Amino acid sequence: AQTVTQSQPEMSVQEAETVTLSCTYDTSENNYYLFWYKQPPSRQMILVIRQEAYKQQNATENRFSVNFQKAAKSFSLKISDSQLGDTAMYFCAFMKGVGSGSRLTFGEGTQLTVNP
Amino acid sequence: EAQVTQNPRYLITVTGKKLTVTCSQNMNHEYMSWYRQDPGLGLRQIYYSMNVEVTDKGDVPEGYKVSRKEKRNFPLILESPSPNQTSLYFCASSPIFGKPYGYTFGSGTRLTVV
Repeated sequence: AQTVTQSQPEMSVQEAETVTLSCTYDTSENNYYLFWYKQPPSRQMILVIRQEAYKQQNATENRFSVNFQKAAKSFSLKISDSQLGDTAMYFCAFMKGVGSGSRLTFGEGTQLTVNP
Repeated sequence: EAQVTQNPRYLITVTGKKLTVTCSQNMNHEYMSWYRQDPGLGLRQIYYSMNVEVTDKGDVPEGYKVSRKEKRNFPLILESPSPNQTSLYFCASSPIFGKPYGYTFGSGTRLTVV
């Protein structure tokens, strides 16, 4: 069974600064996908970024980027130029396999607060 | 607009009174799933369905039932709710084929059982 661990229950950052959220996972699979989801106070689940395990290049979406270390089973999220709207709960998630229709396994979540 | 519609958004009920949370998607997705979210535990899968009439247990299925009579609908049924089922519930869907882009989530149902 896959497990996902987020060891930082809460983090805070000043507006315009950079913050990194940690995520580690455990799996014996070779093909899988990793995701970061954002859950603002509206509680909507919003996909931030995804990474395909067979791709060595780290995914980037505007101010959001990941540091994917496959051997270490680590998948951290870096948010640059933090904005007040980035305040949210962030979940790391794992999906095995090469196609969709598979279970998403989530970490415990990290509550990020961006301070003005 | 492509979406997963969950109702109700908030629900307060008493122990033992049967309830149903509805979920409907308009994207023709084969895969649908229910999760519950609890502080410090993240989201845990309750049940999932790969297609019509095909359902299976997730990690925390006790006390819940589901059905998939139509492709678009996947209701969650609590036959006899108990206080430990107080939680935030999410329905989600995705296609089965093609590269996964994660799930499309509903807006959540905050359930309180007193």
